[in-house]
Amino acid sequence: GDSVTQMQGQVTLSEDDFLFINCTYSTTWYPTLFWYVQYPGEGPQLLLKVTTANNKGISRGFEATYDKRTTSFHLQKASVQESDSAVYYCVLGEGGGLSGKLTFGEGTQVTVIS
Amino acid sequence: EAAVTQSPRNKVAVTGGKVTLSCNQTNNHNNMYWYRQDTGHGLRLIHYSYGAGSTEKGDIPDGYKASRPSQENFSLILELATPSQTSVYFCASGARTGGNTGQLYFGEGSKLTVL
Repeated sequence: GDSVTQMQGQVTLSEDDFLFINCTYSTTWYPTLFWYVQYPGEGPQLLLKVTTANNKGISRGFEATYDKRTTSFHLQKASVQESDSAVYYCVLGEGGGLSGKLTFGEGTQVTVIS
Repeated sequence: EAAVTQSPRNKVAVTGGKVTLSCNQTNNHNNMYWYRQDTGHGLRLIHYSYGAGSTEKGDIPDGYKASRPSQENFSLILELATPSQTSVYFCASGARTGGNTGQLYFGEGSKLTVL
């Protein structure tokens, strides 16, 4: 079945630092990949989507691309702020069908200190 | 604004007891989902539904049942709760489309503790 693995469980940065989170995925379908973000006390929400390998998804200053050859997917932001502190999930969408099911990675807790 | 509301938000149950978690959505979405969130596992899909009267097993359905009596409501039922089911449970809704848009709308979560 589909699976997603996030290597970094926790990342601590200072304001204006560069953020980079990486994950790997496995699927038998053509992948559609997403990043979700979860703030304390809230449910996860969609941050951005990438449907084509090597093309960028961009939202709220975040960028994401994936590499089909290495089955890796990453999220980056040039300059983080304290408000970016949250849990970030790498997510794989089920290819085909109408279920809309998502497979989540383990999540990366990002803490930005001022 | 998309709206998914869950109740109760916090629940303490005893081992062997019955627990029902309820979810209501006002998005008029066909698809609804129940996930559980545990440290080190992210979110894992328990059950989902394509519409009223439909329930499907997700990746970890054992010990859980689901009910979708209407478009708006989707319940998760633990007939015999166990401590391993202590977790935070999230309900979500999403439109049923030909492609996977990835756009699910999540509720705020229900924290369940089974003693």
